[in-house]
Amino acid sequence: KAGVTQTPRYLIKTRGQQVTLSCSPISGHRSVSWYQQTPGQGLQFLFEYFSETQRNKGNFPGRFSGRQFSNSRSEMNVSTLELGDSALYLCASSFLGTENNEQFFGPGTRLTVL
Amino acid sequence: QKEVEQNSGPLSVPEGAIASLNCTYSDRVSQSFFWYRQYSGKSPELIMSIYSNGDKEDGRFTAQLNKASQYVSLLIRDSQPSDSATYLCAVNPSRQLTFGSGTQLTVLP
Repeated sequence: KAGVTQTPRYLIKTRGQQVTLSCSPISGHRSVSWYQQTPGQGLQFLFEYFSETQRNKGNFPGRFSGRQFSNSRSEMNVSTLELGDSALYLCASSFLGTENNEQFFGPGTRLTVL
Repeated sequence: QKEVEQNSGPLSVPEGAIASLNCTYSDRVSQSFFWYRQYSGKSPELIMSIYSNGDKEDGRFTAQLNKASQYVSLLIRDSQPSDSATYLCAVNPSRQLTFGSGTQLTVLP
């Protein structure tokens, strides 16, 4: 089975721009979660989608948004980029997204904001 | 108090030794616990999940869970240089993984 894929792998943007990241989950997985990883804050939960609905949201500003399509693929968008948004953005998929479902991570998108 | 705390390390062990990684959590409702391994520049890779009190073994890895003490640990037997990585403890109280800051492990040849 193919793993989680994320595109693009690397992005360089300037402050004020917006960016869209894409994630394709493992085949058959219906839950997609997004995380931000930075050296200072570690891994932090952004949001989780299941059946095209956001079920859970972390403590991030409204500039961070996402969506999920009917094929379970997901995108996240960050508007009005700030320097502090530079991070590794990770997508994880799980079968149903319940608490005991294992989550599997994609390779991540490394975003640099200049 | 952080929700998930790990001994920050770094931890160094000689090749062939047992590496012991520890994690405590604050949310008593947590029922699912996970250990991820992250190599430098890579994404986290799931290595163990544990849901019940006691030990769970998978090859050279053993996860131990004590819900009364809110404690979960990972033992790596016969440590190899290829085990050198950051190990992340995660709990899942509400469909979102909450991670510790990780313990950096170095296995010395």
